[in-house]
Amino acid sequence: DAMVIQNPRYQVTQFGKPVTLSCSQTLNHNVMYWYQQKSSQAPKLLFHYYDKDFNNEADTPDNFQSRRPNTSFCFLDIRSPGLGDAAMYLCATSRAGAGYSNQPQHFGDGTRLSIL
Amino acid sequence: AQSVTQLDSHVSVSEGTPVLLRCNYSSSYSPSLFWYVQHPNKGLQLLLKYTSAATLVKGINGFEAEFKKSETSFHLTKPSAHMSDAAEYFCVVSGGNNDMRFGAGTRLTVKP
Repeated sequence: DAMVIQNPRYQVTQFGKPVTLSCSQTLNHNVMYWYQQKSSQAPKLLFHYYDKDFNNEADTPDNFQSRRPNTSFCFLDIRSPGLGDAAMYLCATSRAGAGYSNQPQHFGDGTRLSIL
Repeated sequence: AQSVTQLDSHVSVSEGTPVLLRCNYSSSYSPSLFWYVQHPNKGLQLLLKYTSAATLVKGINGFEAEFKKSETSFHLTKPSAHMSDAAEYFCVVSGGNNDMRFGAGTRLTVKP
């Protein structure tokens, strides 16, 4: 089945130690998103790629970066994780463009990040 | 600008009784509306979507929702709750341009 896959499912890192979370998709969607979700809250959009174009949300901290080397893969880099960055990180994809307005997003199962 | 308000942060029902999760939206455009479900430690799964076709939308697992423009509502219902329906539910509005706005979520508890 076509899907969105996030690895690892659980990640533990040390305070201030860079960490990378990965997302891959077999849906061939041109838009990929990264969300941060804290306990009992709605997902919060960090940024998204529309094809190769990077779109950062205004309130996303500079500590968070992203890379999309090709259509299938997208990475979330946290340069210096703080205790407040402990959360579930969700990757999602959608198809956008001519003839594809308001398409739903398809989510991976997330990576739960813990900071020691 | 667009937004959604989920009117209940927590709903508790008994197994076999109806489920009603309420959602009101605000949108400057003709909106698309979605309901997603999230089980613990899982991603969000699409239950159903409204995109200006039929106002009564049927989704997976017996859920349905009715778009009511006059009431700016998109409530989610299910005739008979099952234990496996216990989860967090999110109502989402989209006005296009990949701009999806999430409600705060409603936690559904199902009692045996």
